[in-house]
Parts: sequence; structure tokens; C-alpha cells
Amino acid sequence: EDQVTQSPEALRLQEGESSSLNCSYTVSGLRGLFWYRQDPGKGPEFLFTLYSAGEEKEKERLKATLTKKESFLHITAPKPEDSATYLCAVQAASNTGKLIFGQGTTLQVKP
Amino acid sequence: GAGVSQSPSNKVTEKGKDVELRCDPISGHTALYWYRQSLGQGLEFLIYFQGNSAPDKSGLPSDRFSAERTGGSVSTLTIQRTQQEDSAVYLCASSLVPLAGVEQFFGPGTRLTVL
Repeated sequence: EDQVTQSPEALRLQEGESSSLNCSYTVSGLRGLFWYRQDPGKGPEFLFTLYSAGEEKEKERLKATLTKKESFLHITAPKPEDSATYLCAVQAASNTGKLIFGQGTTLQVKP
Repeated sequence: GAGVSQSPSNKVTEKGKDVELRCDPISGHTALYWYRQSLGQGLEFLIYFQGNSAPDKSGLPSDRFSAERTGGSVSTLTIQRTQQEDSAVYLCASSLVPLAGVEQFFGPGTRLTVL
């Protein structure tokens, strides 16, 4: 069964304190791993797509990496505006449509 | 350009009533998806429309749920005889093409509360 597990569930950081969020997955043929950011009361906002092990993508203070079993979202020197829930999702080769989401990591960055 | 829009933003209904939720995808996007996000739960896939092909309904939780997409654009999700466990945020997403690995863009969601 295709499955995504994110850890930790919640993370509190001080402004400037770098850290990483983990997304572990089991999927029968990975077609894409997606990271989204979701603010309270809003829909998920697309951040990155990773396709194969070893791939990395960066956007401002965020960097996403991918191995055969997990993905990391590294946050460097976070700011309070980075506070949000970060969602990881996978798309399997057996299904070109649906995304399978993890439960998310809620990040709070204190000034 | 305009993103995915959904209406209404909030819907409160009584148990047993039918509700309709609307989604306007990004112009030109051929694939449309519905997901549900319950309190404390992750996003759960409901249904996927891909161009003119038959929709993938594998995620619909019961036969009280149905969806249609008219003219390859607007979609309506209908829930008949609503139950309290249907209370959730219903999210719509669209993608440019129905291909694996293509990012999906989400709307703001409709928060459904069943009393």
C-alpha cells in the first residue's frame, strides 16, 4: 500500500535556527514527490516537485532533497513568516492522478 | 492569472440535506481533482477528472458522494443526505495536463459543517 509519513508532527524553532522536516514514503513506482505549504484557512501552495533520488531543489530559505525512501525539507535561517504546515505527497506510477499526502508538519518560528 | 476558485467558502447545513460545492479550475487546465481534509487528518483523495476520459472515482467514500465536470471546466461535488462525519474542508485542485509528476494547484477550499 502506498503510504507517506511525515515527522515531526510539530516543530518550534527560534528565528534563524535551521532544521529539517522528514517525509518517508513507500510507493510502487514513484512518479513524483511534492512539497506544499499550507497556511491556516487556505489551500495548499505548491513548493517543489522531485522526481528521482539525488535530486535537489531550492527556493529562498527552503531546500528539498530526495532519496529512494525519504525526502527532507531543509529550512535555513527561518523567519516567522515561514510558520505554516508543510505537506508532503507522492504520486505513484500506478495512478497518474491522485496525490497521497502525509499528515503534515506544523512549523512555528518565533522571533 | 486567476487561480483555482471554489464556492461557497463556507457552508453550514443540517444533517440529511444535500449540498453542492463548486470548483472553477485554472483556465486551460485539463485535469481536475477533489480532496477532503478532515480535522486532524491528512488530505484524502476523492475523485479525479482527466480530459474527456472517465473519471477516477476510487476515493469517493460512499454513494452519497458524486461529482461532475461540465464542458471540461467547472466541476460540482454533490453530497446527498449529509452526515456529521462529512464535515471537513473540501479542496479542489487542477493541473495543466493529466500526467504523472505534474504539479496540482489548489483552491482555497469549502469548509462544510453538518449540524
